[in-house]
Amino acid sequence: SAVISQKPSRDICQRGTSLTIQCQVDSQVTMMFWYRQQPGQSLTLIATANQGSEATYESGFVIDKFPISRPNLTFSTLTVSNMSPEDSSIYLCSVDNRGGEQYFGPGTRLTVT
Amino acid sequence: GENVEQHPSTLSVQEGDSAVIKCTYSDSASNYFPWYKQELGKRPQLIIDIRSNVGEKKDQRIAVTLNKTAKHFSLHITETQPEDSAVYFCAASIRSSASKIIFGSGTRLSIRP
Repeated sequence: SAVISQKPSRDICQRGTSLTIQCQVDSQVTMMFWYRQQPGQSLTLIATANQGSEATYESGFVIDKFPISRPNLTFSTLTVSNMSPEDSSIYLCSVDNRGGEQYFGPGTRLTVT
Repeated sequence: GENVEQHPSTLSVQEGDSAVIKCTYSDSASNYFPWYKQELGKRPQLIIDIRSNVGEKKDQRIAVTLNKTAKHFSLHITETQPEDSAVYFCAASIRSSASKIIFGSGTRLSIRP
């Protein structure tokens, strides 16, 4: 499976600010996704990061709050904008390389104060 | 859209006994069913999956069964060991639909020594 890294691994941010999370894969992948996992909860899909076009957002998530970029087949960013304490969560990217199997990055633990 | 329900939310078994986790899905078009294991502070790891053209799949001590008619699938762990303690997530997806995966709510499995 692909090797997936995320930066930063964790951060503490003040409300009203923004944080950009990076996801890097060691090989080209077809699909990249961003998930949120709130403490003790399951994984919720935020959006599908489409290479060369706008991301596809799930219900309840909007581009103004979670802008996503995917400039090539190995890299994507997720920005959490105008943060509030409710945004405190773990954010994970995942990749799918045509086989249907998804593999996750290590996650970014975000705390908003 | 797809909805995946998972039971039980917590499960405690004696070491050496078997553990069973059950999931149901709503969308009859779903055809790929992965299971993930998430240890504390770690990323979800794909441990086994099953596709809709197969009724059962086994990998050493873990097995999955799928009943397409009833739209439910199960994870079976035999001869449980302390390292099996983790949160397990079932999921469902339609492989032709950009591989979007919908997760169940998770089962916290504890193995008693």
